[in-house]
Formats: sequence, C-alpha cells, structure tokens
Amino acid sequence: GENVEQHPSTLSVQEGDSAVIKCTYSDSASNYFPWYKQELGKGPQLIIDIRSNVGEKKDQRIAVTLNKTAKHFSLHITETQPEDSAVYFCAASYNTNAGKSTFGDGTTLTVKP
Amino acid sequence: DVKVTQSSRYLVKRTGEKVFLECVQDMDHENMFWYRQDPGLGLRLIYFSYDVKMKEKGDIPEGYSVSREKKERFSLILESASTNQTSMYLCASTRSGASGANVLTFGAGSRLTVL
Repeated sequence: GENVEQHPSTLSVQEGDSAVIKCTYSDSASNYFPWYKQELGKGPQLIIDIRSNVGEKKDQRIAVTLNKTAKHFSLHITETQPEDSAVYFCAASYNTNAGKSTFGDGTTLTVKP
Repeated sequence: DVKVTQSSRYLVKRTGEKVFLECVQDMDHENMFWYRQDPGLGLRLIYFSYDVKMKEKGDIPEGYSVSREKKERFSLILESASTNQTSMYLCASTRSGASGANVLTFGAGSRLTVL
C-alpha cells in the first residue's frame, strides 16, 4: 500500500519568514495530494491540493509543488503569520479510492511573533 | 456552517465498556470515514463506507466495527474498549465523483479516554 513520509515533525519560524514542509510517497499510482491544516481543538481542514497533472499550484501565501519523478511534494508558506501556527498534514490518494487517503505523520508549525 | 458533526467531543469510558461514536453529515455525501489520530502517527483509517449498509476495513480495523443505516450517519463502535484505544477519533466525508471524491471534510473530533 501507499506510504507517506513527512518532514520535519516540528518547525518553528519567525513571523514573516517562509516555512517549507516536505512529503514523499511510495505508490506511483497516487494522483491526488492534499494538504490539511489542523488548528487546536478542530478537525483538519483542506488548505490546498494538487493533482498529478500539475507541477505547482498557488493560493495567496501558500503554494504546493509536486515532483512525480521523485515522488515528493512540498507545502510552501510565505510571509508567515501567528495564525499559521497549527499542525499540517500531507496526504496521497488515487482518485478511484474515493477519499481513502494515506496521511503523513504531521508537522507542528509554530510562528513566533 | 457545521457540516460534519461528531456528537461527543470528550468521552471517558472504562475498560470493557461498549462505546458508540456518532457522526452525522449534512452535505449528502456518499462516502464516510473514521480515522484515528495519535501523536506522531498521523491519521490512520479505521473503516469507511461508500454507501448505506456498506462498510470496508481500513488500515487498523481490529477492535472496531461500524454501522451505516442512513446516508448521513456513520457510527464507530468499540465492542469492548481497551486502554490502547484511548485516542482522538475523526469522522470525515466526501462526495463521489472524480473531481471531488478525495476532498475530505472532517468533524471536530471525539477524544476518547479509556481507563
């Protein structure tokens, strides 16, 4: 089955700096790669996703890049703000599995004011 | 604006008790999931369901069962709770169809402590 590795497990940055979280996956059939943000006391919420026919996607301060050859994808957050502090999860799935995603172990991001 | 509701946010149970975790979604989604979240282990899939009365095992189904009698409701059952089932349980749903089938909408979670 699919295996997703996520690094780092914790990340601390100063407000205004950039943050990068990286994930690798094992199953070359995976074609959908979402990122979820989980704030304290809440369930994970989708913040950005990318499909395998695209190499990069941006949404304001966040972006995701995908390298299918190397089987890795990354989340980039620019101009970080204290409200970006949360746990971030990457995931991988194949779209016929209707949401049966394999998740990384999570990254706890702390943005210091 | 609540879309996936987990009725119990915090539960404390004793070893051997039967535990029901309830999840309701109001988005008319076909697919529903139960995940378990533990520190350093990410989210692990316990069971999922593609339709009413259908269920399939995920990666860690041992010690759990599920019930889906209605489209909007998906219940996780611990027949005899054990201390190693102390965890955060997350319910999620998705709609069918290639364009949106993988976008999970999660509930807020149910934190279960088994003493």
